Amino acid sequence: EDQVTQSPEALRLQEGESSSLNCSYTVSGLRGLFWYRQDPGKGPEFLFTLYSAGEEKEKERLKATLTKKESFLHITAPKPEDSATYLCAVQDDSWGKLQFGAGTQVVVTP
Amino acid sequence: DGGITQSPKYLFRKEGQNVTLSCEQNLNHDAMYWYRQDPGQGLRLIYYSQIVNDFQKGDIAEGYSVSREKKESFPLTVTSAQKNPTAFYLCASSIGGRTYGYTFGSGTRLTVV
Repeated sequence: EDQVTQSPEALRLQEGESSSLNCSYTVSGLRGLFWYRQDPGKGPEFLFTLYSAGEEKEKERLKATLTKKESFLHITAPKPEDSATYLCAVQDDSWGKLQFGAGTQVVVTP
Repeated sequence: DGGITQSPKYLFRKEGQNVTLSCEQNLNHDAMYWYRQDPGQGLRLIYYSQIVNDFQKGDIAEGYSVSREKKESFPLTVTSAQKNPTAFYLCASSIGGRTYGYTFGSGTRLTVV
């Protein structure tokens, strides 16, 4: 069975303190790995899609990388507005269903 | 602007009552999904639909029902058979077939009173 595990469950950072979130996965054939940001009481917002090992994507202070077994979301010099829950999901079949991890809750304090 | 609209934002259900959550999209997406989110758990798939008049059960379909009579609409009914319905419900859509990332609605929080 496909599994997606995110760590840590929660992360508290000082403003400017860079860190990384991990998403490890077991899937028979990865077709895509997705990162989303979710604010409290709202729907997830799409951030990145990664398709193959070695691929990297960047957006402002966020950078996502992918290996054959895991993905990292690096947050560089975070600001309080980066506080959110970050969700990782994998697509393992040709149709499009996503399997989600439980998320990492990030809090950035001034 | 294109997007997905879920309503209501908050919903309260009495014991033994069926309730329906609305999901409408104007993105012209073929595929639509319903997920349930509980604290500390990942999103779990309830039902999904690839085309009009067709839908499939996800991982936790028991106690739920859906319909897909129009491309734009995918309502979810939480029936009295769902014993623990209190959760945050998310509707999403995507271009059918290959996924380029879901677009999510803003969610409905359902509470049993």
